[in-house]
Amino acid sequence: QQPVQSPQAVILREGEDAVINCSSSKALYSVHWYRQKHGEAPVFLMILLKGGEQKGHEKISASFNEKKQQSSLYLTASQLSYSGTYFCGLQYGKLIFGQGTELSVKP
Amino acid sequence: DTEVTQTPKHLVMGMTNKKSLKCEQHMGHRAMYWYKQKAKKPPELMFVYSYEKLSINESVPSRFSPECPNSSLLNLHLHALQPEDSALYLCASSQIGGEEEKLFFGSGTQLSVL
Repeated sequence: QQPVQSPQAVILREGEDAVINCSSSKALYSVHWYRQKHGEAPVFLMILLKGGEQKGHEKISASFNEKKQQSSLYLTASQLSYSGTYFCGLQYGKLIFGQGTELSVKP
Repeated sequence: DTEVTQTPKHLVMGMTNKKSLKCEQHMGHRAMYWYKQKAKKPPELMFVYSYEKLSINESVPSRFSPECPNSSLLNLHLHALQPEDSALYLCASSQIGGEEEKLFFGSGTQLSVL
């Protein structure tokens, strides 16, 4: 079952913060986050495992809430380079991606 | 070397043609993947090879035929494709197990079927 991401799209000004959520109807064991810029391949950001801690990557971090069956990606003090489509992926024997969240950061 | 290399970058083929997509990695990864991605959609898994053996086939039509000649190479053979098969085909590789299963993607082959 495909995870559900929200919002589908978000527009930010440089320096603003954003949160992208990824929800599943099934229990979560691991969550991947990837960013894909237009015309490029998806790039790995981070992976969170059940029972693991919140992860961080520059000003991008993520959390894993087992009870809510949800992961959230936090982008703080956004930069122009953060623009792209963000995908979460849930591992159920194979990695299934959410539908994506398109993030645009404007000057 | 943390690259996954795909060739060709672009491919235009007719419905009666036979062509192949190639993918190579030298990171020692033992899992390799083919994904199909349509515009503004997420990558969709097609095939997974683990230790050079096909472990997952997501009910992909037989006009797509994967091959893993060795642990570094992955091919996708194409025959009698349909226009709806036009898409970006992404190859990826990963270690097997736990936190190391992050995917490294190649830059893809943009396929157009006429």
